[in-house]
Amino acid sequence: AQKITQTQPGMFVQEKEAVTLDCTYDTSDPSYGLFWYKQPSSGEMIFLIYQGSYDQQNATEGRYSLNFQKARKSANLVISASQLGDSAMYFCAMREGVGGGSNYKLTFGKGTLLTVNP
Amino acid sequence: NAGVTQTPKFQVLKTGQSMTLQCAQDMNHEYMSWYRQDPGMGLRLIHYSVGAGITDQGEVPNGYNVSRSTTEDFPLRLLSAAPSQTSVYFCASTRNTEAFFGQGTRLTVV
Repeated sequence: AQKITQTQPGMFVQEKEAVTLDCTYDTSDPSYGLFWYKQPSSGEMIFLIYQGSYDQQNATEGRYSLNFQKARKSANLVISASQLGDSAMYFCAMREGVGGGSNYKLTFGKGTLLTVNP
Repeated sequence: NAGVTQTPKFQVLKTGQSMTLQCAQDMNHEYMSWYRQDPGMGLRLIHYSVGAGITDQGEVPNGYNVSRSTTEDFPLRLLSAAPSQTSVYFCASTRNTEAFFGQGTRLTVV
């Protein structure tokens, strides 16, 4: 079974609108972390936002926020006020066993290609 | 991306040739790793290291070797390149809530 599932191969959004990129995960470990990355056409992996399983509040970072629903095992990325420069591939990733002696391996989803239309 | 330097950016190899992808970080992270990215597959873990002198295999280790002599450096070696190793390679440096990647190496094996 896939540990990270991104069900939207592609998404379109109008400039200045908000968009939600879906991510569901599967783990039996109570301690884990969730990451989102942006990969523009130039190829680099840009870290956007992190959410820990024990964090009380949803993570936010500028125009990026994470809609973390622990019971549903979902960690959707919300981009507010989309810009043309947001057009890119977006990856969700999980690290299990956060903490002392933890496992730092990241498991990635297959990504969602976001296109922002003017 | 801050603190992870990966070279080269592009490389073309002939089948059977060897090469080393270099990765260095200046964030004093103990954990470093190598991933490969193939179309439609996301990123998959090749090898990782939890500190100097300690390495282990990831999901797709065959055909690759690593070593970690210092905290800063974590090179990836292809001993005898095969066309199946054509991919984009990323080095990552991780600690707690941080995981930063190098710029990537696009490798083509002909």
